[in-house]
Amino acid sequence: QITLKESGPTLVKPTQTLTLTCTFSGFSLSTSGVGVGWIRQPPGKALEWLALIYWDDDKRYSPSLKSRLTITKDTSKNQVVLTMTNMDPVDTATYYCAQARVYYDSSGLNRWFDPWGQGTLVTVSS
Amino acid sequence: QTVVTQEPSLTVSPGGTVTLTCASSTGAVTSGYYPNWFQQKPGQAPRALIYSTSNKHSWTPARFSGSLLGGKAALTLSGVQPEDEAEYYCLLYYGGAYVFGTGTKVTVL
Repeated sequence: QITLKESGPTLVKPTQTLTLTCTFSGFSLSTSGVGVGWIRQPPGKALEWLALIYWDDDKRYSPSLKSRLTITKDTSKNQVVLTMTNMDPVDTATYYCAQARVYYDSSGLNRWFDPWGQGTLVTVSS
Repeated sequence: QTVVTQEPSLTVSPGGTVTLTCASSTGAVTSGYYPNWFQQKPGQAPRALIYSTSNKHSWTPARFSGSLLGGKAALTLSGVQPEDEAEYYCLLYYGGAYVFGTGTKVTVL
Protein backbone atom coordinates (compact mmCIF):
# COMPACT_ATOMS: atom_id res chain seq x y z
CA GLN A 1 0.00 0.00 0.00
CA ILE A 2 1.33 3.39 -1.03
CA THR A 3 0.90 6.29 1.38
CA LEU A 4 2.18 9.84 1.46
CA LYS A 5 2.00 12.39 4.23
CA GLU A 6 2.85 16.06 4.23
CA SER A 7 4.37 17.79 7.23
CA GLY A 8 5.58 21.26 8.04
CA PRO A 9 4.53 24.49 9.74
CA THR A 10 0.89 25.46 9.80
CA LEU A 11 1.67 29.16 10.09
CA VAL A 12 4.43 31.18 8.48
CA LYS A 13 5.04 34.91 8.39
CA PRO A 14 5.23 36.95 5.19
CA THR A 15 8.72 36.95 3.63
CA GLN A 16 9.68 33.74 5.45
CA THR A 17 10.69 30.53 3.72
CA LEU A 18 8.35 27.56 3.87
CA THR A 19 9.80 24.06 4.15
CA LEU A 20 7.46 21.11 3.63
CA THR A 21 8.33 17.44 3.84
CA CYS A 22 6.55 14.60 2.09
CA THR A 23 7.19 11.27 3.79
CA PHE A 24 6.08 8.26 1.80
CA SER A 25 5.94 4.50 2.02
CA GLY A 26 5.14 1.63 -0.30
CA PHE A 27 7.47 2.70 -3.09
CA SER A 28 11.05 3.78 -3.67
CA LEU A 29 12.15 7.00 -5.28
CA SER A 30 15.09 5.14 -6.76
CA THR A 31 12.78 3.07 -8.99
CA SER A 32 12.74 4.04 -12.65
CA GLY A 33 9.61 5.93 -13.65
CA VAL A 34 8.74 7.10 -10.16
CA GLY A 35 8.49 10.67 -8.95
CA VAL A 36 6.91 12.80 -6.25
CA GLY A 37 5.10 16.02 -7.00
CA TRP A 38 3.72 18.93 -5.01
CA ILE A 39 0.36 20.56 -5.62
CA ARG A 40 -1.43 23.29 -3.66
CA GLN A 41 -4.98 24.53 -3.32
CA PRO A 42 -5.94 27.89 -1.80
CA PRO A 43 -9.15 27.75 0.22
CA GLY A 44 -12.11 27.46 -2.14
CA LYS A 45 -9.92 27.66 -5.24
CA ALA A 46 -8.46 25.39 -7.88
CA LEU A 47 -5.51 23.05 -7.70
CA GLU A 48 -2.12 24.43 -8.73
CA TRP A 49 0.78 22.20 -9.78
CA LEU A 50 4.06 23.30 -8.19
CA ALA A 51 6.97 20.92 -8.68
CA LEU A 52 8.07 17.37 -9.39
CA ILE A 53 11.21 15.35 -8.74
CA TYR A 54 11.94 12.09 -10.52
CA TRP A 55 13.87 8.98 -9.54
CA ASP A 56 16.86 10.20 -11.57
CA ASP A 57 16.85 13.60 -9.75
CA ASP A 58 15.34 15.38 -12.73
CA LYS A 59 13.42 18.34 -11.31
CA ARG A 60 10.55 20.27 -12.86
CA TYR A 61 8.92 23.46 -11.64
CA SER A 62 5.91 25.59 -12.39
CA PRO A 63 7.26 28.40 -14.59
CA SER A 64 5.36 31.03 -12.61
CA LEU A 65 6.89 29.93 -9.29
CA LYS A 66 10.23 28.52 -10.41
CA SER A 67 12.29 31.31 -8.86
CA ARG A 68 10.83 30.60 -5.42
CA LEU A 69 10.77 26.80 -5.36
CA THR A 70 13.34 24.12 -4.64
CA ILE A 71 12.54 20.41 -4.56
CA THR A 72 14.93 17.77 -3.23
CA LYS A 73 14.77 14.11 -2.31
CA ASP A 74 16.29 11.87 0.32
CA THR A 75 15.87 8.39 -1.04
CA SER A 76 17.18 6.70 2.09
CA LYS A 77 14.58 8.45 4.24
CA ASN A 78 11.75 8.14 1.70
CA GLN A 79 11.25 11.89 1.82
CA VAL A 80 10.85 14.75 -0.60
CA VAL A 81 11.28 18.33 0.57
CA LEU A 82 9.80 21.44 -1.02
CA THR A 83 11.00 24.90 -0.07
CA MET A 84 9.22 28.08 -1.10
CA THR A 85 10.85 31.41 -0.43
CA ASN A 86 9.37 34.83 0.23
CA MET A 87 5.98 33.60 1.39
CA ASP A 88 2.99 35.89 0.96
CA PRO A 89 -0.60 35.69 2.24
CA VAL A 90 -1.68 34.63 -1.27
CA ASP A 91 0.37 31.46 -0.72
CA THR A 92 -2.07 30.36 1.97
CA ALA A 93 -3.23 26.96 0.80
CA THR A 94 -3.46 23.26 1.44
CA TYR A 95 -0.27 21.71 0.12
CA TYR A 96 -0.40 18.15 -1.21
CA CYS A 97 2.25 15.72 -2.32
CA ALA A 98 1.50 12.86 -4.71
CA GLN A 99 3.30 9.99 -6.32
CA ALA A 100 4.05 10.51 -10.01
CA ARG A 101 4.48 7.70 -12.46
CA VAL A 102 5.91 7.64 -15.95
CA TYR A 103 5.96 4.35 -17.82
CA TYR A 104 5.53 2.69 -21.17
CA ASP A 105 2.99 0.03 -21.96
CA SER A 106 1.46 -1.34 -25.15
CA SER A 107 -0.45 1.91 -25.65
CA GLY A 108 2.62 4.10 -25.32
CA LEU A 109 3.88 6.49 -22.67
CA ASN A 110 1.71 7.11 -19.62
CA ARG A 111 1.85 9.74 -16.91
CA TRP A 112 -0.18 10.06 -13.76
CA PHE A 113 -0.30 11.41 -10.21
CA ASP A 114 -1.75 9.08 -7.60
CA PRO A 115 -2.08 8.51 -4.73
CA TRP A 116 -2.05 11.81 -2.91
CA GLY A 117 -1.35 12.69 0.67
CA GLN A 118 -4.05 14.12 2.89
CA GLY A 119 -2.65 17.62 2.52
CA THR A 120 -1.46 20.17 5.03
CA LEU A 121 -2.89 23.66 5.42
CA VAL A 122 -0.32 26.43 5.51
CA THR A 123 -1.45 29.90 6.50
CA VAL A 124 0.68 32.92 5.75
CA SER A 125 0.01 35.74 8.17
CA SER A 126 1.87 38.15 10.37
CA GLN B 1 1.33 32.01 -18.68
CA THR B 2 -0.52 28.90 -19.80
CA VAL B 3 -4.16 28.67 -18.80
CA VAL B 4 -6.22 25.48 -18.84
CA THR B 5 -9.93 26.22 -18.90
CA GLN B 6 -12.85 24.07 -17.78
CA GLU B 7 -16.57 24.75 -17.48
CA PRO B 8 -17.16 26.35 -14.06
CA SER B 9 -20.22 24.27 -13.32
CA LEU B 10 -22.49 21.66 -14.85
CA THR B 11 -25.72 20.12 -13.62
CA VAL B 12 -26.89 16.63 -14.52
CA SER B 13 -29.82 14.48 -13.51
CA PRO B 14 -29.25 11.09 -11.89
CA GLY B 15 -28.78 8.51 -14.61
CA GLY B 16 -27.94 11.17 -17.15
CA THR B 17 -24.79 11.89 -19.10
CA VAL B 18 -22.53 14.90 -18.87
CA THR B 19 -19.31 15.81 -20.64
CA LEU B 20 -16.66 18.04 -19.12
CA THR B 21 -14.00 19.62 -21.30
CA CYS B 22 -10.46 20.88 -20.79
CA ALA B 23 -9.02 23.50 -23.13
CA SER B 24 -5.47 24.82 -23.39
CA SER B 25 -4.62 28.45 -24.08
CA THR B 26 -1.75 27.21 -26.27
CA GLY B 27 -4.03 25.50 -28.78
CA ALA B 28 -5.55 22.10 -29.39
CA VAL B 29 -5.08 19.46 -26.72
CA THR B 30 -3.57 16.26 -28.09
CA SER B 31 -2.51 12.96 -26.58
CA GLY B 32 0.93 14.48 -26.10
CA TYR B 33 -0.51 16.52 -23.26
CA TYR B 34 -1.25 13.26 -21.43
CA PRO B 35 -4.57 14.53 -20.05
CA ASN B 36 -5.36 13.39 -16.54
CA TRP B 37 -8.65 13.80 -14.73
CA PHE B 38 -9.20 14.02 -10.97
CA GLN B 39 -12.26 13.99 -8.76
CA GLN B 40 -12.29 15.97 -5.53
CA LYS B 41 -15.04 15.87 -2.92
CA PRO B 42 -15.32 18.46 -0.15
CA GLY B 43 -12.66 18.10 2.50
CA GLN B 44 -10.85 15.36 0.63
CA ALA B 45 -7.70 15.07 -1.40
CA PRO B 46 -8.16 14.65 -5.14
CA ARG B 47 -8.35 11.14 -6.56
CA ALA B 48 -7.18 10.19 -10.01
CA LEU B 49 -9.78 8.94 -12.48
CA ILE B 50 -8.22 9.00 -15.94
CA TYR B 51 -4.64 9.19 -17.22
CA SER B 52 -3.08 9.61 -20.64
CA THR B 53 -6.35 10.79 -22.22
CA SER B 54 -8.50 7.69 -21.79
CA ASN B 55 -6.89 5.13 -19.49
CA LYS B 56 -8.76 4.25 -16.34
CA HIS B 57 -7.20 3.37 -13.02
CA SER B 58 -8.25 0.08 -11.48
CA TRP B 59 -10.60 1.92 -9.12
CA THR B 60 -12.24 4.14 -11.74
CA PRO B 61 -15.92 3.30 -12.22
CA ALA B 62 -16.82 2.18 -15.74
CA ARG B 63 -19.21 5.11 -16.15
CA PHE B 64 -16.25 7.51 -16.40
CA SER B 65 -14.49 7.80 -19.73
CA GLY B 66 -11.88 10.12 -21.20
CA SER B 67 -11.33 11.27 -24.76
CA LEU B 68 -10.24 14.08 -27.04
CA LEU B 69 -13.10 16.13 -28.40
CA GLY B 70 -12.88 19.10 -30.72
CA GLY B 71 -9.35 20.05 -29.70
CA LYS B 72 -10.02 19.58 -26.00
CA ALA B 73 -9.64 16.80 -23.50
CA ALA B 74 -12.99 15.51 -22.33
CA LEU B 75 -14.35 13.52 -19.40
CA THR B 76 -17.75 11.90 -19.88
CA LEU B 77 -19.87 10.62 -17.03
CA SER B 78 -22.57 8.21 -18.20
CA GLY B 79 -25.32 6.98 -15.94
CA VAL B 80 -24.44 9.58 -13.32
CA GLN B 81 -24.83 8.59 -9.69
CA PRO B 82 -25.49 10.93 -6.74
CA GLU B 83 -22.01 10.19 -5.43
CA ASP B 84 -20.50 11.68 -8.59
CA GLU B 85 -21.33 15.16 -7.32
CA ALA B 86 -17.88 16.68 -6.91
CA GLU B 87 -15.28 19.03 -8.35
CA TYR B 88 -13.39 17.68 -11.35
CA TYR B 89 -9.97 18.85 -12.48
CA CYS B 90 -7.99 18.10 -15.59
CA LEU B 91 -4.20 18.17 -15.69
CA LEU B 92 -2.13 18.73 -18.82
CA TYR B 93 1.57 18.10 -19.48
CA TYR B 94 3.61 20.84 -21.12
CA GLY B 95 6.93 19.24 -21.92
CA GLY B 96 8.10 18.92 -18.34
CA ALA B 97 5.76 21.00 -16.25
CA TYR B 98 2.07 20.40 -15.64
CA VAL B 99 -0.90 22.73 -15.39
CA PHE B 100 -4.23 22.03 -13.72
CA GLY B 101 -7.47 23.18 -15.18
CA THR B 102 -9.75 25.67 -13.49
CA GLY B 103 -12.08 22.94 -12.30
CA THR B 104 -15.71 21.99 -12.95
CA LYS B 105 -18.28 21.66 -10.21
CA VAL B 106 -20.69 18.88 -11.14
CA THR B 107 -24.03 18.95 -9.41
CA VAL B 108 -26.34 15.94 -9.54
CA LEU B 109 -29.90 17.18 -9.27
